Amino acid sequence: KAGVTQTPRYLIKTRGQQVTLSCSPISGHRSVSWYQQTPGQGLQFLFEYFSETQRNKGNFPGRFSGRQFSNSRSEMNVSTLELGDSALYLCASSGWDRGASGANVLTFGAGSRLTVL
Amino acid sequence: KQEVTQIPAALSVPEGENLVLNCSFTDSAIYNLQWFRQDPGKGLTSLLLIQSSQREQTSGRLNASLDKSSGRSTLYIAASQPGDSATYLCAARFPSGGSYIPTFGRGTSLIVHP
Repeated sequence: KAGVTQTPRYLIKTRGQQVTLSCSPISGHRSVSWYQQTPGQGLQFLFEYFSETQRNKGNFPGRFSGRQFSNSRSEMNVSTLELGDSALYLCASSGWDRGASGANVLTFGAGSRLTVL
Repeated sequence: KQEVTQIPAALSVPEGENLVLNCSFTDSAIYNLQWFRQDPGKGLTSLLLIQSSQREQTSGRLNASLDKSSGRSTLYIAASQPGDSATYLCAARFPSGGSYIPTFGRGTSLIVHP
């Protein structure tokens, strides 16, 4: 089955602009979560959506927002970009593994590399 | 606030060695713990997941254990190969807002040289 798809893979923006990133989860997964990865802070949780509702939010400013559509696809938006927003943005979908483990597994996409100049 | 710590931060070993990577967490109310590998500039690839009710999981040359009482998980890599070179991350998920949110360690950067 198809994995988690993130678009675009790479993008370059300038300070003050805004950016929208997209994530398509694994078919059947209803939970989508977003993360920011930087060399200085590591992997940090941004927010999680389930059935079009934000269920949890990390400690990020209001410039970071997201939404989820009825088909479980999700977008995140960063407004008024700052240099420090340069990072790898990762999306993960979560669902029950129908295999032997039966566990609630996180599966990540390849990420969107954002560079802010 | 939950914290997850990984030791060592970096490791360089010759091919063929058996390795142990450590992950510790501060909250015993853990839901599950998942080990990932990340190649440079790429996303995370899931290796093993251990539920809070389990003690260990195995996949090929990899074995992961979980001890909730001591707040520790270890990832054992047998007979390491150059292809194992990557950063290894552990993610402990804890209950939050009707869901389970992961807290990640900073990772162990592994280099296996021929």
